[in-house]
Amino acid sequence: AQKVTQAQTEISVVEKEDVTLDCVYETRDTTYYLFWYKQPPSGELVFLIRRNSFDEQNEISGRYSWNFQKSTSSFNFTITASQVVDSAVYFCALSEWNGGSQGNLIFGKGTKLSVKP
Amino acid sequence: NAGVTQTPKFRILKIGQSMTLQCTQDMNHNYMYWYRQDPGMGLKLIYYSVGAGITDKGEVPNGYNVSRSTTEDFPLRLELAAPSQTSVYFCASSYAVTGNNEQFFGPGTRLTVL
Repeated sequence: AQKVTQAQTEISVVEKEDVTLDCVYETRDTTYYLFWYKQPPSGELVFLIRRNSFDEQNEISGRYSWNFQKSTSSFNFTITASQVVDSAVYFCALSEWNGGSQGNLIFGKGTKLSVKP
Repeated sequence: NAGVTQTPKFRILKIGQSMTLQCTQDMNHNYMYWYRQDPGMGLKLIYYSVGAGITDKGEVPNGYNVSRSTTEDFPLRLELAAPSQTSVYFCASSYAVTGNNEQFFGPGTRLTVL
């Protein structure tokens, strides 16, 4: 069965520190997609990135970077030089491509990041 | 584009009462979803729809019903509210049929059942 594990429940850092949020997934499919969403204190869910199982290239977007490693079933998210505005709950999610799931997202429990000034 | 809108934002229900959570999207997305988020947990899928007139159960459908009469609207009905349904409810929509679909989320409805 598909599963997403975010082992870090809460992380607290001081501004300008780098921080990595871990995500480990389980799936039997060879075609799947991984996502990261951000949920700031206001409560809405903000899409950050989507990665398919055939593309293991790392991605960088400003201070954000993602490291996808199929060998360890991990899709980790790093924030460089963290800022107070990065304080949020971050969710990793998995979507499989098969006739039954219709692209449903399986979410991890989330990691709450607190960035102190 | 307003995206995905949900009403109400907050609601308190008494045990046994009924209510409908409204969800509307203006992006002409075929796929729509209802999730619930309990404290300290990720989102869990309640129901989803792949188009008008077609709905199916997700992981936690008990106590809920849905309908999809138009592409835009996907209401979620609670018939006999129970304290276990206290949660934040998110509606989402997406365009693509495969797993390669970004889901757009509404702002959520915070429901308390007392």
